[in-house]
Amino acid sequence: QSALTQPPSASGSPGQSVTISCTGTSSDVGNYKYVSWYQQHPGKAPKLMIYEVNKRPSGVPDRFSGSKSGNTAFLTVSGLQAEDESYYYCSSYTGTDGVFGGGTKLTVL
Amino acid sequence: QVQLQESGPGLVKPSETLSLTCTVFGGSINSDNCYWGWIRQSPGKGLEWIGTIYYTGSTFYNPSLNSRVAMSVDTSKNQFSLRLTSVTAADTAVYYCARHGSKWYTDWFFDLWGRGARVNVSS
Repeated sequence: QSALTQPPSASGSPGQSVTISCTGTSSDVGNYKYVSWYQQHPGKAPKLMIYEVNKRPSGVPDRFSGSKSGNTAFLTVSGLQAEDESYYYCSSYTGTDGVFGGGTKLTVL
Repeated sequence: QVQLQESGPGLVKPSETLSLTCTVFGGSINSDNCYWGWIRQSPGKGLEWIGTIYYTGSTFYNPSLNSRVAMSVDTSKNQFSLRLTSVTAADTAVYYCARHGSKWYTDWFFDLWGRGARVNVSS
């Protein structure tokens, strides 16, 4: 099982929108709606931000949204705020278990 | 609210066995949403799923670690545990226990995480 592919970095200015991609294959991202996204601040545990491609857990701001097209999933952060600067990881079900992406560092300029 | 807490030795010698326990506070390990997982993060690296256990004891392991991993559950103590044998420096990582967010294993997301336990493999 190979890790999902994420860009190592992304950036945007406060108030802007940024989209992070997560590319898998037809055996994982492309075949299931079970894609999730996690935010991880340095030294902290990951926090669930999006599940089942586009659902937000209670308490996650609606500035965070998810989508999917083919074998690639996307996390969009709108109205960037300073506290959004963090690492973001995607994950997908593979048919037998799951796999994570390598992570993207989001910088708020 | 439900919280998870990892515990175990922070230092393990190469070739020995890493053992960690996750205690569930504020809830029951037997509740409906009761698939429980272990995920690790090597220094400066991404997340790696290690395995998942159901409260009945059914297990699912990462194929890349399958021969070295064993998970167990103790419902009387509200705990589940991880054993990783024949460790090397490559097993040095922060180990997180986490709760699957759905009663269906296939839904595949983790909605609750422990704070993590740092384990260093070194002689």
